Amino acid sequence: ILNVEQSPQSLHVQEGDSTNFTCSFPSSNFYALHWYRWETAKSPEALFVMTLNGDEKKKGRISATLNTKEGYSYLYIKGSQPEDSATYLCAFSNAGGTSYGKLTFGQGTILTVHP
Amino acid sequence: GAGVSQSPSNKVTEKGKDVELRCDPISGHTALYWYRQRLGQGLEFLIYFQGNSAPDKSGLPSDRFSAERTGESVSTLTIQRTQQEDSAVYLCASSFIPNSNQPQHFGDGTRLSIL
Repeated sequence: ILNVEQSPQSLHVQEGDSTNFTCSFPSSNFYALHWYRWETAKSPEALFVMTLNGDEKKKGRISATLNTKEGYSYLYIKGSQPEDSATYLCAFSNAGGTSYGKLTFGQGTILTVHP
Repeated sequence: GAGVSQSPSNKVTEKGKDVELRCDPISGHTALYWYRQRLGQGLEFLIYFQGNSAPDKSGLPSDRFSAERTGESVSTLTIQRTQQEDSAVYLCASSFIPNSNQPQHFGDGTRLSIL
């Protein structure tokens, strides 16, 4: 069983604050790490897919880093806005076999940005 | 439409009834995935399709659950003799190819409530 842990479970910040959260995953047989944003009453939206150790990806005010050797990824949001309020999910894939397309998700970090 | 479409959006049924959930993936996407999220839990993988075949159905929780895909397009998830523990949001996703270095595109989900 693959264990993907996200912390914190929930986070409340004020508008304008910068924030970050963590995703931990098994460091062996790494293939890919995904981040998704899931807003209430909408579908999960892909933010990043990361495959290489040391990868850094950026999309507007959101960025992510990846350390496959130690098994963690950080998601950063700079200058949080109320519209950033959502559940942020990370998902891990290990390599090979019939589970090639399969993702194992963490439980998510619920972010609330207060105006 | 351009996105992944799921129907119905909500389903309330009595324990013991059968239900069918439908997913229309993005046109041209060869990979299709089913997940569910039960209350207070993370996204749980159920099954994935490569074309019309299901290389990995390891997440189906019991033999009451089955899924099929036809024409490399529409997929149906069937739950027979529903139980209260089947209550969840069932999400479908698709990707261009069945490789976990590809982002998955999600539908809005079907919220299933078993009375």
